Amino acid sequence: EAGVAQSPRYKIIEKRQSVAFWCNPISGHATLYWYQQILGQGPKLLIQFQNNGVVDDSQLPKDRFSAERLKGVDSTLKIQPAKLEDSAVYLCASSLDFVVEQYFGPGTRLTVT
Amino acid sequence: GENVEQHPSTLSVQEGDSAVIKCTYSDSASNYFPWYKQELGKRPQLIIDIRSNVGEKKDQRIAVTLNKTAKHFSLHITETQPEDSAVYFCAVYNTDKLIFGTGTRLQVFP
Repeated sequence: EAGVAQSPRYKIIEKRQSVAFWCNPISGHATLYWYQQILGQGPKLLIQFQNNGVVDDSQLPKDRFSAERLKGVDSTLKIQPAKLEDSAVYLCASSLDFVVEQYFGPGTRLTVT
Repeated sequence: GENVEQHPSTLSVQEGDSAVIKCTYSDSASNYFPWYKQELGKRPQLIIDIRSNVGEKKDQRIAVTLNKTAKHFSLHITETQPEDSAVYFCAVYNTDKLIFGTGTRLQVFP
């Protein structure tokens, strides 16, 4: 089966600019996650969707980050405006349901200068 | 909320030796404990997981043990090989989300 797809793979922007990331989960996976992984740290959950509803967004900086999952399939994560500390790899993952294996995409490496 | 601690942060072993990585958690309600391997520049991939109703699980050279009373679980890799070199993350499932440890960089020297 095809894995989780993400684009772009790399992005360099200046602070205060905007950026958007796209994720296509594994077909049939109801649960979709966006993680932020800062260099040298473990992934930190930003937002979790079940179909097109938000399950958890408690760690999403809502003043600058937004995410949506229209039609319960693809998802986009947006940062506006970006800060230097947003430099990280943004990982999308999906799973069939809760409490089961999560499959990660290749990630988008964001550099904010 | 749940707090996950992982030790050691780095681990160097000789090829063929065993490696053990330990994680502790704080909430006794946590019920699912996966381990992910992340090679440099790659995505995290699940290597083994254990649920709270099981004490130990093995898959070839990899095993995980869970002590619910002490709230810790460990990854054991036997007969290590150079291709085992990577960063390993433990994770704990709590209140509908996975909380990851800080990672252990394992280096296996030939």
